[in-house]
Parts: sequence; C-alpha cells; structure tokens
Amino acid sequence: SQKIEQNSEALNIQEGKTATLTCNYTNYSPAYLQWYRQDPGRGPVFLLLIRENEKEKRKERLKVTFDTTLKQSLFHITASQPADSATYLCALALGGKLIFGQGTELSVKP
Amino acid sequence: EAGVAQSPRYKIIEKRQSVAFWCNPISGHATLYWYQQILGQGPKLLIQFQNNGVVDDSQLPKDRFSAERLKGVDSTLKIQPAKLEDSAVYLCASSRGSWTEQETQYFGPGTRLLVL
Repeated sequence: SQKIEQNSEALNIQEGKTATLTCNYTNYSPAYLQWYRQDPGRGPVFLLLIRENEKEKRKERLKVTFDTTLKQSLFHITASQPADSATYLCALALGGKLIFGQGTELSVKP
Repeated sequence: EAGVAQSPRYKIIEKRQSVAFWCNPISGHATLYWYQQILGQGPKLLIQFQNNGVVDDSQLPKDRFSAERLKGVDSTLKIQPAKLEDSAVYLCASSRGSWTEQETQYFGPGTRLLVL
C-alpha cells in the first residue's frame, strides 16, 4: 500500500542546534516534494519545493534533501530558534495533487 | 495581497445536522482546494476545482458532502447530515494557475468543526 511517514514522535531540541525531520514514503514516485509549516490554529504555509532530479535545496537556515532511491526526504533547520517551534508537513506532488504526511511537531527550547 | 479567507472559524453542531463552510481564495487564483485535517494527521484533499469545474473529487464522501464554486471565485463546502467522525479542521487553499506539481498552495486559517 502507499504510505508517507514522518517522524512519529515530537522532536525536542535546544536552541542553536540543528533540527532534522524525516519524510519516508513507499509505493509512490513523486516528481516533486514540498515542505510546509503549520502553527496551531492556522493553515499550512509553504516553505520549500524540491524536484526529483535535485539532491538538495537551501533557503536561509532551511535545507531539504531528496533521495528517490531511498524514497526519503530530510528537512534541516540550522541554528534553530524557539520561533521555529511548529508542526512541519511533507507533501508528495502526485498526479496533480498533494499527498501530505502526518506532520512532525518540533519544539525548540531556549 | 490578501490571503485565503474562510468562515466561520469555529462551528459546533449536533450529529445529523447540516453545516456549510465558505472560502474566498486569493484574487486571480484559478485553482481551489478543500482539505479535511483530522487532529494529529496531515490534510487530506476532498475536492479540487479549476476555475468553476471539478478536477478531482475522488475522496469526497458524496453521500453527505457537496461543494460548489460559483463563477470560479468563492466556494462553499456543505455536510448534510454530519456524523461524529466529521469533526476536523476544514482547510481551503488556492493556487495561481493550471494545476502543476510545482504549484505552491496558499492555505486559509481553516474552519474547526465539532460534531456532538
């Protein structure tokens, strides 16, 4: 069956450290993968898109990798800050629609 | 530019009642989406419109859910009759042009529905 799995447990890290979130999928072949941030009581906000032929994408303190052989994307936040605390969603772009993972809750402690 | 607007923000109803949600997408955005997000899960696409035509409604429970997008702008999503398992956040999103996998989606704040 088709599945998207993100870190099953919440991630707690210390301010200044690098947060690494995982998105694994099975039985999909997406051409693109997107990452969104969602704060409590709000809709998701787009962060980054990476194509299947791109290994890595960066935007300020954010970095995304996409390994189509491992069927995995990693999302890194360097020099993390308490303001980075939120739920992060990965989404596979397939057949004209987005399929979302369940999200990983990140908490950055001062 | 103004974001995606949704109303109401919260709704509490009894099971078997009906409810309607409204969405106003970003001006000029041709594609509109309705998602259902159950607590602890990611958003699940219910229906996608391209202008005022339906592109994908494969996951819409058509026996109780309906949606329309009149004049290719605003959209309403209706549930009739509601069940307990419909308790969720209903998110509306829009994107600029013809759907491509590169399109960024812009989400509204959502409507939180509680069915008692």
